[in-house]
Amino acid sequence: AQSVTQLDSQVPVFEEAPVELRCNYSSSVSVYLFWYVQYPNQGLQLLLKYLSGSTLVKGINGFEAEFNKSQTSFHLRKPSVHISDTAEYFCAVHGSGITGKLIFGQGTTLQVKP
Amino acid sequence: DSGVTQTPKHLITATGQRVTLRCSPRSGDLSVYWYQQSLDQGLQFLIHYYNGEERAKGNILERFSAQQFPDLHSELNLSSLELGDSALYFCASSELTGAEAFFGQGTRLTVV
Repeated sequence: AQSVTQLDSQVPVFEEAPVELRCNYSSSVSVYLFWYVQYPNQGLQLLLKYLSGSTLVKGINGFEAEFNKSQTSFHLRKPSVHISDTAEYFCAVHGSGITGKLIFGQGTTLQVKP
Repeated sequence: DSGVTQTPKHLITATGQRVTLRCSPRSGDLSVYWYQQSLDQGLQFLIHYYNGEERAKGNILERFSAQQFPDLHSELNLSSLELGDSALYFCASSELTGAEAFFGQGTRLTVV
């Protein structure tokens, strides 16, 4: 069975500093991996996805993530964060079989301070 | 705007009651997923429908049921509500199973 572990529940960072949000997954089959962002009182918005191909994936708002199969990781990075990046970030793995259900990590709260 | 519409946005009801949450997927999307988000359980998959047929069930209580209609909209029915059912319920849709899922804004259910 697939599972996702987000290693940090909260990440405080100053504006314009780089940030990395860590995600490890467990899966016995080929994986599709996703990062979603949830702003306060909003739904989830897709930041980026890894389906196949290049292990470095670029997403919206300057975010990128690297798929590392040997370390079963899919860490999210941004070289310089803004106040507006303050939100909850979720890593997810696509379930196997005939369903496209997503299995989410517990989420990481990114708090960007001025 | 993801194109997925959920109604109502907020719902307050008493224990023991029954409610229906509604989801209109993006135009052309055949798959609809329901998720529950709570502080203690995080984001949990409930159920997946594809073109009117149930495809997968997650940690969905027997008091909960869902269906997808011929026009592809979906409803999640929650009955005999308990305080612990208070949560944010999301609907998501995708064109194909396994494709990128687009999420609605959610329905915040408060059971008092």
